[in-house]
Amino acid sequence: DSGVTQTPKHLITATGQRVTLRCSPRSGDLSVYWYQQSLDQGLQFLIQYYNGEERAKGNILERFSAQQFPDLHSELNLSSLELGDSALYFCASSRGTSEYNEQFFGPGTRLTVL
Amino acid sequence: DQQVKQNSPSLSVQEGRISILNCDYTNSMFDYFLWYKKYPAEGPTFLISISSIKDKNEDGRFTVFLNKSAKHLSLHIVPSQPGDSAVYFCAASIPSGTYKYIFGTGTRLKVLA
Repeated sequence: DSGVTQTPKHLITATGQRVTLRCSPRSGDLSVYWYQQSLDQGLQFLIQYYNGEERAKGNILERFSAQQFPDLHSELNLSSLELGDSALYFCASSRGTSEYNEQFFGPGTRLTVL
Repeated sequence: DQQVKQNSPSLSVQEGRISILNCDYTNSMFDYFLWYKKYPAEGPTFLISISSIKDKNEDGRFTVFLNKSAKHLSLHIVPSQPGDSAVYFCAASIPSGTYKYIFGTGTRLKVLA
């Protein structure tokens, strides 16, 4: 158990819909990262927040957005969903922002868009 | 453009033997490399890392080798155990920029008892 929790575990929805994925970081971790893993692909970095502020952005689509709240939990919002958005979405957390800070991953949310 | 490549999607090894997982990268700006292990229905877990100023880092049964001139990274597991059966991802990072860790596509290791 990494200490990072993600809800829900599974999500099935239809094209065009909007969903929210939730992540609670490990106690004491200020950084939260979101990754997408599509079938047979590596983990693609989406976005990072540190203590409530956006810190780094990867290949995140404009239809996707995220935020980190004062209690440090984070939400990833996916809108106008397409079939290709079906993937595993992982959240990770770390103490700080350094690349040397180990990232601890949650179990992921599996999103299926029908 | 896949900057971190794991060209072997799967690998089978006998218990007790050495497992060698390979990773190639294209960006010479990467300065920190990591290996993560992933079991089914779980998130990846950190295994071992290496800075670009080193060419080897060892932690118990796990050793990571870095060949910067070849832009090649490898993970050696000796001796391999059935519990090592998992998907292994290599990752790399640049000290600044919009990316954090860039992951490869993973290699599924199966250790046969």
